[in-house]
Amino acid sequence: GQQLNQSPQSMFIQEGEDVSMNCTSSSIFNTWLWYKQDPGEGPVLLIALYKAGELTSNGRLTAQFGITRKDSFLNISASIPSDVGIYFCAGQLVNRDDKIIFGKGTRLHILP
Amino acid sequence: NAGVMQNPRHLVRRRGQEARLRCSPMKGHSHVYWYRQLPEEGLKFMVYLQKENIIDESGMPKERFSAEFPKEGPSILRIQQVVRGDSAAYFCASSALSGANVLTFGAGSRLTVL
Repeated sequence: GQQLNQSPQSMFIQEGEDVSMNCTSSSIFNTWLWYKQDPGEGPVLLIALYKAGELTSNGRLTAQFGITRKDSFLNISASIPSDVGIYFCAGQLVNRDDKIIFGKGTRLHILP
Repeated sequence: NAGVMQNPRHLVRRRGQEARLRCSPMKGHSHVYWYRQLPEEGLKFMVYLQKENIIDESGMPKERFSAEFPKEGPSILRIQQVVRGDSAAYFCASSALSGANVLTFGAGSRLTVL
C-alpha cells in the first residue's frame, strides 16, 4: 500500500538549534499536512499544504510541498523546550476521497 | 467549544472481553475517521465513516473489529474478544466535508489488554 517515509526517526538537539525533517513517497499527493503530538494527546495540525511548490509558515515553523508532489519538509527555527514531541507528516492522495495516511513520526528531544 | 470527544480515555480489558470506544465528532462535522497507534509507531488508518454509512474500511482487521456511526449518537469502534496485540491508542478524527484533507483529532482512547 501507499507509504510515507519520514526521517529522521528521532532527533536530539540543543535548545536554540534549527530542526529539519522530511517525508517522501513514491506516490503523488494533493495535500501534505504536518501534525504535532504531545505525550498522551492526539495530533494537532501545524501546517497544511495544498499546491506543489507551496511554502507556508506558522510562527517558527516552515513547511514546503515538493515540486514533484512526492515529498515535503518541515523546518523549526530556534527550537524551544515546548517543541518537544512527535511530528507527523500526513498526506492525501490524488483522489481526494482517499484516506489521509501518516508517516511514522519524528521524535524531537531537546537536550538541557 | 467542544472538539472531538473520545471516551473512555483509558480502558483495561482481559483477553476475550469486548472493548467499545466512543467518539463524538466536532459540532457540525459528519465524517469520522478511526486510527490506531501502536507504541513508537505512527497512526494507521482503520476506517472512515459518514452518518449511517461506512465509506472506507480498508484498514480494519477482517475479524473482531467493527465500527458504526449511527444517525444519532457517537461513532463506536467495537473490538470483540480482545487479544494482547489490540493494546494501543485509538484515535478518532472528524471533518466537515467528504474527502476533507484536514482532520481534527480527539485525545485518544488507550486500550490495555491484560
